Amino acid sequence: AQSVAQPEDQVNVAEGNPLTVKCTYSVSGNPYLFWYVQYPNRGLQFLLKYITGDNLVKGSYGFEAEFNKSQTSFHLKKPSALVSDSALYFCAVRDILRRGSSNTGKLIFGQGTTLQVKP
Amino acid sequence: NAGVTQTPKFQVLKTGQSMTLQCAQDMNHEYMSWYRQDPGMGLRLIHYSVGAGITDQGEVPNGYNVSRSTTEDFPLRLLSAAPSQTSVYFCASSYTGSSYNSPLHFGNGTRLTVT
Repeated sequence: AQSVAQPEDQVNVAEGNPLTVKCTYSVSGNPYLFWYVQYPNRGLQFLLKYITGDNLVKGSYGFEAEFNKSQTSFHLKKPSALVSDSALYFCAVRDILRRGSSNTGKLIFGQGTTLQVKP
Repeated sequence: NAGVTQTPKFQVLKTGQSMTLQCAQDMNHEYMSWYRQDPGMGLRLIHYSVGAGITDQGEVPNGYNVSRSTTEDFPLRLLSAAPSQTSVYFCASSYTGSSYNSPLHFGNGTRLTVT
């Protein structure tokens, strides 16, 4: 079964410093990986995805993620953190199941990492 | 476009009561799903649907029912509310078909408290 793990409950970074939020995955077959962000009292918002191709994926709000097949990781990064980046971040993997002619495509989430950027 | 709309935003129930959480999307997405979010547990899939008339169970389906009579709507029913169902519930939708790369679009959630 597909799964993702986010080993850190919280990451603290000073504004202007680079940030990394870690994610590792376990899949059978090709991985379809996503990052989402959740601001307080809101739903999750899509940041970026890896399907195939370049290992460095660029997404919204200046975020990027590095796919590493040998380490089964998909870490989220940003060169210079902003206080407004403080939020809850989720890594997710698409579970590939086939039902008839359709793909169910369930999304399985990690437990989330709280990013705190201090001024 | 409104995206994914969930109602109500807040609800308080007594143990044993039933209710329906509403979810509607206007993006013509085939795939719709319900998650619950609990502290330290991330998001767990309750039920999902790959199209009208088709539903299936996720990780934590017990105590919940769903139906998908139209592409737009995917209501979640709590049959007999229990305190363990106190949570924040999110509805999410996406395209499916042969594409695995379609991201989920989330509603803003329903915060449910069962006393």
